[in-house]
Amino acid sequence: SYVLTQPPSVSVAPGQTARITCGGNNIGSKSVHWYQQKPGQAPVLVVYDDSDRPSGIPERFSGSNSGNTATLTISRVEAGDEADYYCQVWDSSSDHRGVFGGGTKLTVL
Amino acid sequence: QVQLQESGPGLVKPSETLSLTCTVSGGSISSYYWSWIRQPPGKGLEWIGYIYYSGSTNYNPSLKSRVTISVDTSKNQFSLKLSSVTAADTAVYYCARVQPYYDILTGYWPRDFDYWGQGTLVTVSS
Repeated sequence: SYVLTQPPSVSVAPGQTARITCGGNNIGSKSVHWYQQKPGQAPVLVVYDDSDRPSGIPERFSGSNSGNTATLTISRVEAGDEADYYCQVWDSSSDHRGVFGGGTKLTVL
Repeated sequence: QVQLQESGPGLVKPSETLSLTCTVSGGSISSYYWSWIRQPPGKGLEWIGYIYYSGSTNYNPSLKSRVTISVDTSKNQFSLKLSSVTAADTAVYYCARVQPYYDILTGYWPRDFDYWGQGTLVTVSS
């Protein structure tokens, strides 16, 4: 089965840039979607199809995907960005199963 | 604005069947995929399965033998049944809309989870 690997935690100072990675075998051939989840809340889609933003998501959120790594980049990090972030793909080699990464806790110092 | 709301018992006994319903408002259930996702306390997200509005389904292989997802387009609802539950099935259960994309050769496929319910905690305990 397809596995997505994320670092458990990333820390960044306010105003700096946070990069959260999502590793998977040839993930560059798949579309990656990213979700933000704050404590006690449902996840929110922040990036879809590697680098597109839903309406209402700040331009500070961007994504890229190549080779074996997809990356969510958050520029000019704010305290309100502190949350868990999950990457997600569909594994077409396994009956199109939905797969989530283990999640990354973003801490704003 | 599309809204999703989960409903169902918050406590289920071991070996029994967990049943949840998701009611969709602010939009039609037609033309989309609809999914269930769960999150054990303090852990990550796990995809359970999805149903297309037409009724076709796809389930996580690890749960496939115990899961049934159905849709009632007349009520704008879809439902989850998970049988033979154990303590390991204790989790917050989310329903979500899945935005589709169209492949010119192979048709419609699920893309991202663009709208989520607030989630409902289901505890499995005697």
